Amino acid sequence: TQLLEQSPQFLSIQEGENLTVYCNSSSVFSSLQWYRQEPGEGPVLLVTVVTGGEVKKLKRLTFQFGDARKDSSLHITAAQPGDTGLYLCAGIANAGGTSYGKLTFGQGTILTVHP
Amino acid sequence: DTGVSQNPRHKITKRGQNVTFRCDPISEHNRLYWYRQTLGQGPEFLTYFQNEAQLEKSRLLSDRFSAERPKGSFSTLEIQRTEQGDSAMYLCASSFRLNTEAFFGQGTRLTVV
Repeated sequence: TQLLEQSPQFLSIQEGENLTVYCNSSSVFSSLQWYRQEPGEGPVLLVTVVTGGEVKKLKRLTFQFGDARKDSSLHITAAQPGDTGLYLCAGIANAGGTSYGKLTFGQGTILTVHP
Repeated sequence: DTGVSQNPRHKITKRGQNVTFRCDPISEHNRLYWYRQTLGQGPEFLTYFQNEAQLEKSRLLSDRFSAERPKGSFSTLEIQRTEQGDSAMYLCASSFRLNTEAFFGQGTRLTVV
């Protein structure tokens, strides 16, 4: 069973601060996706990383995939109250066709950015 | 709106009743997934369809759960004899090809009382 450990579980910061969320596993993933979820809604895809060492930027968000494709991080610069939400990492196993593209999710990080 | 659509958005049912949820994926997506999410947790995989074929089921999917995708388009998830432990958000996702982005619906929030 492939597991994704996401940390921290809760993060409460002031507007303007920087933060990093980590997603770690002992298993290799063929790709890793980050989602943001609002209460009562489904997850919304932010980014997909597929290449070891890959870095992607989305405005103030920077995503990195580890060289060995076992871990990933999400860094937010100058957080704003609108960034508040549940952030989820999810990986697709590196098991060829038998993975069927199913996602293994981390537990999530609940981010609260105070004005 | 061409996103993934789920109905109903909310369902409250008494313990022991049967419930059925529907998912309409993005039209050209042949892969469809069901996940379950409990409060404070990430979603957990339940089952996967490629077109009309159900190719994988999680051990979480007890014999009270059944899913179908009869014509390879929309899918239904039925829970028979609901239990309080079934209370959760049920999420549907679809994708076009293997290992490409999965897009989620807004979910169906089930409350069993």
